[in-house]
Amino acid sequence: AQTVTQSQPEMSVQEAETVTLSCTYDTSESDYYLFWYKQPPSRQMILVIRQEAYKQQNATENRFSVNFQKAAKSFSLKISDSQLGDAAMYFCAYRVNQAGTALIFGKGTTLSVSS
Amino acid sequence: EAGVAQSPRYKIIEKRQSVAFWCNPISGHATLYWYQQILGQGPKLLIQFQNNGVVDDSQLPKDRFSAERLKGVDSTLKIQPAKLEDSAVYLCASSQGGRLKFFGPGTRLTVL
Repeated sequence: AQTVTQSQPEMSVQEAETVTLSCTYDTSESDYYLFWYKQPPSRQMILVIRQEAYKQQNATENRFSVNFQKAAKSFSLKISDSQLGDAAMYFCAYRVNQAGTALIFGKGTTLSVSS
Repeated sequence: EAGVAQSPRYKIIEKRQSVAFWCNPISGHATLYWYQQILGQGPKLLIQFQNNGVVDDSQLPKDRFSAERLKGVDSTLKIQPAKLEDSAVYLCASSQGGRLKFFGPGTRLTVL
């Protein structure tokens, strides 16, 4: 069975600093997607970044980037130049590359940002 | 483009009562998902529909939970009777083909 593990329940960072959130996963599939979602107190799940497993290049979206290590089954999120608005719960998620398959989520990491 | 709509946003009931949640997916999205998110945990899939057919309901507690998607559009999730452990946020999401999933704002259920 596929599983997603986030070992950091809480993280904190100072404004303008960089923080890295960890995620590991377990799967026997070779073709899959990995995601980071942000969930602010409003509960709206917002897609932050997506990585296709067949791509060796790490995905980047503005201040957000990932370190995808396929062999190690590791998928960390780096947030650069942290802003107060980055404070939220962050979830790592996985799904097999097959149309209509559901996401499997980790337990989440609560990120707090201080000024 | 309108997003995924859910109602109500909040619901408080007593245990053994019944409750229903409604979801309207993005227009044209064939796949609809219901997730349960217990406080401090990640969302867990309860049921997945493809049009009006069930694709996966393996984690749905069928003795108390039921869901339907009439005409392949709106969906309703019902709990009857509710237990204390059903307190959670219920998220609805939709997608089309293998594309990105869009989540609704969720319904926070409190069972007293």
